[in-house]
Order: sequence, then structure tokens, then C-alpha cells
Amino acid sequence: EAQVTQNPRYLITVTGKKLTVTCSQNMNHEYMSWYRQDPGLGLRQIYYSMNVEVTDKGDVPEGYKVSRKEKRNFPLILESPSPNQTSLYFCASSLTIGTSGNEQFFGPGTRLTVL
Amino acid sequence: QKEVEQNSGPLSVPEGAIASLNCTYSDRGSQSFFWYRQYSGKSPELIMFIYSNGDKEDGRFTAQLNKASQYVSLLIRDSQPSDSATYLCAVRGYFTGGFKTIFGAGTRLFVKA
Repeated sequence: EAQVTQNPRYLITVTGKKLTVTCSQNMNHEYMSWYRQDPGLGLRQIYYSMNVEVTDKGDVPEGYKVSRKEKRNFPLILESPSPNQTSLYFCASSLTIGTSGNEQFFGPGTRLTVL
Repeated sequence: QKEVEQNSGPLSVPEGAIASLNCTYSDRGSQSFFWYRQYSGKSPELIMFIYSNGDKEDGRFTAQLNKASQYVSLLIRDSQPSDSATYLCAVRGYFTGGFKTIFGAGTRLFVKA
């Protein structure tokens, strides 16, 4: 089944404790992206990757890191989480970025709480 | 001014009616346009995408794009209670800083049985 998977689905942690949220897709998509969703603010792009070893900042990158060492995986790293990073996080992927095939498909989401 | 704007709603329509959702965007570099449906606590689900001016129909859904006026709309015909959700408008393109996707905050739709 074609899908985007994320782990963990739920995470409660404390301020300053490094964590990684994994994202994997099995559709051979080139483009992958991370978003956070907060009430009233909608989805905001954190980082994106056009292909292996190619990553760039979205609109809200502060406090996050990413890597793209393999095409299928795009982990999100919070080196020192803070309470303002409490949010619902989504990973998404698309085949390309052209005007054909750039529809994004989303993972199930990771609900993160930082105490 | 927000880059992608949607009326937050809620928009309430009776079962069987047409629901009309609207979205405006500010960046003329926008290349492609998407409508997602999101149920509470779930991930966004792609409903429609459109790249060219005009209408695009898929079943009960019709997306309309007018690049000159910078708006994109979604019509849902024969609305069903199961259509009750938040509808997200998204635009993709080469904006300041790179190729990005910008979402509106969403419109909540309620379909009354």
C-alpha cells in the first residue's frame, strides 16, 4: 500500500530532551516536507527536501533540523525542544514539484507535547 | 495580509445542497492549487488539484481557478453529512526562499441532515 508513515504518533517529552520524529514514504517521491499545525494558524511548512541531500527551510524552521540521506526517509529533529513546539506535526511527500504530479500526500500525524 | 486566505466559517448547509468554499491568494508566483479535506485529529486528504484557469470536475466536486483575480474555489454538490470537515486551500510555487507550499487556515463545513 502506498503510504507515508510517521513515528511516533504521540509523544510527551520535557524541555531540552532531544527527540526525532521519523517519516518514511514508499512511493519513490522526490519531494518531502514537514508541517506543523496549530489552532487558528493552519499548516505551516517547517522544512522541505527536493531530493536526497537537498533540504531547505520553510516558513517556521527555527528549533528544527532535518536530514535526507535516503530518498524514502526524512526525519525531523528537535535538538532542544521547548513548550512552544507543542503541536501536531505532519510529514508529506509528492512525486515531483512540476505542474504534474506534485500533489502532496500526508502521513497520519505526530502529536507532540513538550512540558 | 495573509498569503492564502479562507473564511474560517463555520459554513452550514443542508443535506443535498451545494456548498461553496472560497480561497484567495496573494502571490502571483503560485503555480498549482489544491483542496484538502481534514477531519478533526486526522491528516489532510487530497480532494482536488488544479493548475489552469477554469473549472475541473471530479464527481461531486468542482474546483474553479481564476488567476487574474487570484482566487480558487471548491463546489461540493449534493452535500452529505460525511462532508462535514475542515477544508484547506493550498498553493504551491516558487516563492521567496524557494519552492514552498502555503496553506490557508481552513473553512469548517457543517452539512445538516
